[in-house]
Amino acid sequence: AQSVTQLDSHVSVSEGTPVLLRCNYSSSYSPSLFWYVQHPNKGLQLLLKYTSAATLVKGINGFEAEFKKSETSFHLTKPSAHMSDAAEYFCVVIRSGGYQKVTFGIGTKLQVIP
Amino acid sequence: GAGVSQSPSNKVTEKGKDVELRCDPISGHTALYWYRQSLGQGLEFLIYFQGNSAPDKSGLPSDRFSAERTGGSVSTLTIQRTQQEDSAVYLCASSLAGQGTYEQYFGPGTRLTVT
Repeated sequence: AQSVTQLDSHVSVSEGTPVLLRCNYSSSYSPSLFWYVQHPNKGLQLLLKYTSAATLVKGINGFEAEFKKSETSFHLTKPSAHMSDAAEYFCVVIRSGGYQKVTFGIGTKLQVIP
Repeated sequence: GAGVSQSPSNKVTEKGKDVELRCDPISGHTALYWYRQSLGQGLEFLIYFQGNSAPDKSGLPSDRFSAERTGGSVSTLTIQRTQQEDSAVYLCASSLAGQGTYEQYFGPGTRLTVT
């Protein structure tokens, strides 16, 4: 079985403050984990990915995520929010190896307040 | 290089009509996925093609939905006898799955409106 839980459907932060978007996963296999971002009326863009190398993964636009196997978490963080970060963020689990199984979280909408 | 492209970008159709949505994946990508994104919802997996293997159709919501991938490249998603609940953005993605890299590259989507 495989599942993804994004713990917050909406997150609101002030510009310049830290961002934390939470993701927990469940997988019977060694998963690959991803975060995607979708700006309003735009396509999905890959932010970062974890594929069993370093547990702290750095992505684009100052975002990073830490894979914690013991907590089955892959939370997305950024030290200082920018107005342009306002978007919807999706956590994704892909079963590695062999036939793929892709599971998307329901998404977290990030609002950045000036 | 060229990314994933989808056509049309917008499609308005009357209830009961058939529609075809097209996806051109990135050249050389062996895997192709279709998803549906309804207003305020996450992405709903529809179907997955991997090379010459039988597709994973487990996400298709009804037998009105079907998809083909010709020559391991272009894919067409067909919705027969469209219903209003089919209104959504249909997204296509491709990846180099099976070669150690699994990230998906998404197209811009086709916004389908059934009136």
